[in-house]
Amino acid sequence: GIQVEQSPPDLILQEGANSTLRCNFSDSVNNLQWFHQNPWGQLINLFYIPSGTKQNGRLSATTVATERYSLLYISSSQTTDSGVYFCAVELTSGSRLTFGEGTQLTVNP
Amino acid sequence: DTGVSQDPRHKITKRGQNVTFRCDPISEHNRLYWYRQTLGQGPEFLTYFQNEAQLEKSRLLSDRFSAERPKGSFSTLEIQRTEQGDSAMYLCASSHWTGTLAGPYEQYFGPGTRLTVT
Repeated sequence: GIQVEQSPPDLILQEGANSTLRCNFSDSVNNLQWFHQNPWGQLINLFYIPSGTKQNGRLSATTVATERYSLLYISSSQTTDSGVYFCAVELTSGSRLTFGEGTQLTVNP
Repeated sequence: DTGVSQDPRHKITKRGQNVTFRCDPISEHNRLYWYRQTLGQGPEFLTYFQNEAQLEKSRLLSDRFSAERPKGSFSTLEIQRTEQGDSAMYLCASSHWTGTLAGPYEQYFGPGTRLTVT
């Protein structure tokens, strides 16, 4: 099956710093989503981004489908950004998502 | 528009007991997905439905697991004869399939049911 690798596995930042999270995938995909999992376990949708670049406030994401990777940028990080960030891909439209192992982000005040 | 809801949020059961979880998708969503997440891992796919039809089941869904979506709205996931290895967060998601490949078919997740088997 498809492999999804995220890096780094852990990231510790001071408030106000910028960061880049990476997601590599082993096959062509139809869909890619980024999620933030809060401390209570809720997965919060950040981006639906099979290709191209999107921005939402301090967050932006870029997917280069031909090179099989996606990047999530977090600027001016805040303590509330702490949590686990997951990348998930879909091979066939509307079917299962395959998740990476996640990046655990800790933002210290 | 309310999001995906799951009930119960927490369940503690003894090994060997049966448990059932419920998921209510976003109202206009016709696809419903179940995932399982263990500590420190990403969610893993279990099964999904389009309306009442179960379209795919993962090999993770052993004979002790059964999922239904009888009227194409809410879904239930039952685990029979629970084992300690079943302890996990069970996540439900939904999306709206329009019948074309174009999409987008963004999945939205519920808050999960955390199962602890003692």
